[in-house]
Amino acid sequence: GQQLNQSPQSMFIQEGEDVSMNCTSSSIFNTWLWYKQDPGEGPVLLIALYKAGELTSNGRLTAQFGITRKDSFLNISASIPSDVGIYFCAGQSSGGYQKVTFGTGTKLQVIP
Amino acid sequence: ETGVTQTPRHLVMGMTNKKSLKCEQHLGHNAMYWYKQSAKKPLELMFVYNFKEQTENNSVPSRFSPECPNSSHLFLHLHTLQPEDSALYLCASSQDEARESPLHFGNGTRLTVT
Repeated sequence: GQQLNQSPQSMFIQEGEDVSMNCTSSSIFNTWLWYKQDPGEGPVLLIALYKAGELTSNGRLTAQFGITRKDSFLNISASIPSDVGIYFCAGQSSGGYQKVTFGTGTKLQVIP
Repeated sequence: ETGVTQTPRHLVMGMTNKKSLKCEQHLGHNAMYWYKQSAKKPLELMFVYNFKEQTENNSVPSRFSPECPNSSHLFLHLHTLQPEDSALYLCASSQDEARESPLHFGNGTRLTVT
């Protein structure tokens, strides 16, 4: 089946630093999604990308849909303590729900 | 306040117990899902319902039994579970399973099987 390689697995950063994480796949996706999960909560959708090459921002978050449709990255600028959590990428093929593949997550910890 | 509500938030059950997880979505979506989240593993799709009809059973053991009485409610009935079934069970919904429609998740039920 399809697999997503998400990196890094975890990272410690200083408050105020920028963060970058990415996902790569051997398969092509039609949609890339980025979610954040806080401890004890469910994943919350941050950004959805629907076109190859698309660059989308949501506040301090910026994500891009790779031109090859096999990768995506998420950047967080000027990190703050509440950015702590686990960030998941997800790739969605045509056909909707049953083709969503999730990455294993990037655990972000911010040092005040 | 999430648009997808799951109860209970935490559940501890013995291997001979029978319990049910409940999910309700307030988003007007027509597809609902059960996912299993285990430590250090990607989210695993278990079941999908579209317009109350089960359209996906991802090779889930029969000790997990889903029920979808209408497009807003989803249940997961549990019986004779194993300790390895301990995990976070997440419910999700989406607008239309045929299009690329992002999943919206509930906060999950943390299940511990003793």
